[in-house]
Amino acid sequence: SQQGEEDPQALSIQEGENATMNCSYKTSINNLQWYRQNSGRGLVHLILIRSNEREKHSGRLRVTLDTSKKSSSLLITASRAADTASYFCATDRGDYKLSFGAGTTVTVRA
Amino acid sequence: GAVVSQHPSWVICKSGTSVKIECRSLDFQATTMFWYRQFPKQSLMLMATSNEGSKATYEQGVEKDKFLINHASLTLSTLTVTSAHPEDSSFYICSARNGNSYEQYFGPGTRLTVT
Repeated sequence: SQQGEEDPQALSIQEGENATMNCSYKTSINNLQWYRQNSGRGLVHLILIRSNEREKHSGRLRVTLDTSKKSSSLLITASRAADTASYFCATDRGDYKLSFGAGTTVTVRA
Repeated sequence: GAVVSQHPSWVICKSGTSVKIECRSLDFQATTMFWYRQFPKQSLMLMATSNEGSKATYEQGVEKDKFLINHASLTLSTLTVTSAHPEDSSFYICSARNGNSYEQYFGPGTRLTVT
């Protein structure tokens, strides 16, 4: 079942700007993962943050996790046209089954 | 490394026929494979979890007799949509887990259109 809610649903930014999207979930988790999906394609794993971690970085990506608020955020810094895609958060309760959020569609304008 | 392939990438079939979709882990042994479906502009919904050599575990609301899953080896899982109907038209995506990692590697997806 789907337990993540993401906002905004869509985001349009200028190249070079930062993009921030949020994810909220309902149950306790073991880890939370962020994925990117280009139109009509499979998913690419971006970053995994465990429930005992608060922040994680990977290149231009920064993910935060607040388990008390059951929320996470993904920040993409210095966006590029190639970052145009849909971004999904997915929670894992520890049974390896992922429950995906609704996704945020990001458009980066050149 | 950690590449997952799916075949076919797209398929069109007539209502009432069955369609088989293959999911392969190309460079690792997948202890577990997962099948998802995604409707246009929507999120992924987990359909079933597949472990090599054992029966698949289906999520609530997914008909196991309609969506047959066979995990024949550590590198291959198949999803067969039996007696397909237009409402089964969707994007089917598989993923595979490597060992004890929580990270899943996704295939490129298969677009099924039932006419």
